[in-house]
Amino acid sequence: NAGVTQTPKFQVLKTGQSMTLQCAQDMNHNSMYWYRQDPGMGLRLIYYSASEGTTDKGEVPNGYNVSRLNKREFSLRLESAAPSQTSVYFCASSDLAAQETQYFGPGTRLLVL
Amino acid sequence: DQQVKQNSPSLSVQEGRISILNCDYTNSMFDYFLWYKKYPAEGPTFLISISSIKDKNEDGRFTVFLNKSAKHLSLHIVPSQPGDSAVYFCAASAHSGANNLFFGTGTRLTVIP
Repeated sequence: NAGVTQTPKFQVLKTGQSMTLQCAQDMNHNSMYWYRQDPGMGLRLIYYSASEGTTDKGEVPNGYNVSRLNKREFSLRLESAAPSQTSVYFCASSDLAAQETQYFGPGTRLLVL
Repeated sequence: DQQVKQNSPSLSVQEGRISILNCDYTNSMFDYFLWYKKYPAEGPTFLISISSIKDKNEDGRFTVFLNKSAKHLSLHIVPSQPGDSAVYFCAASAHSGANNLFFGTGTRLTVIP
């Protein structure tokens, strides 16, 4: 039981490049989330998926797209990376019965030059 | 505007003593509060939570206190252990909707052996 896994662990991009951050969970959770963590800002919700087939914007969605590929997988795409997207990205999942109790992956550290 | 605030970026405590981490919030609609713990290079992990209908919740060495009138909650760790050294995030949500989970900026706790 791996919980929530994220790939890659670390990535360096040049401004304008695109990339997809992958996330998978094996806890049969319905809801999945993408957060970013910046110094002095705490974790901020980018997008979430309450259930398979649905996605919604969070607090800071600009510059990102998401895909809920199936119940297990939720990917985050940066179409044209900007230095302001340098951050640590966390994926999380939760059960419908206790949505606030979220289980987080180890994070992806992204540097955009 | 930060709706959940942790005004102390860091706290150092001697092993065996009490650690008190504080959190303030501004949104009176928040009705569920959580503490997450984060070690370096790992994702946050759920620690303890409290509903607004309670003013105290205990789980072993960890106790969370909620003062709704002051919009303040605190996490007490007694006795503190070196393994408790981590960053602690306070989080809050409204109407039991995880889509509205707001995090504080975190407090780094160091427990000195």
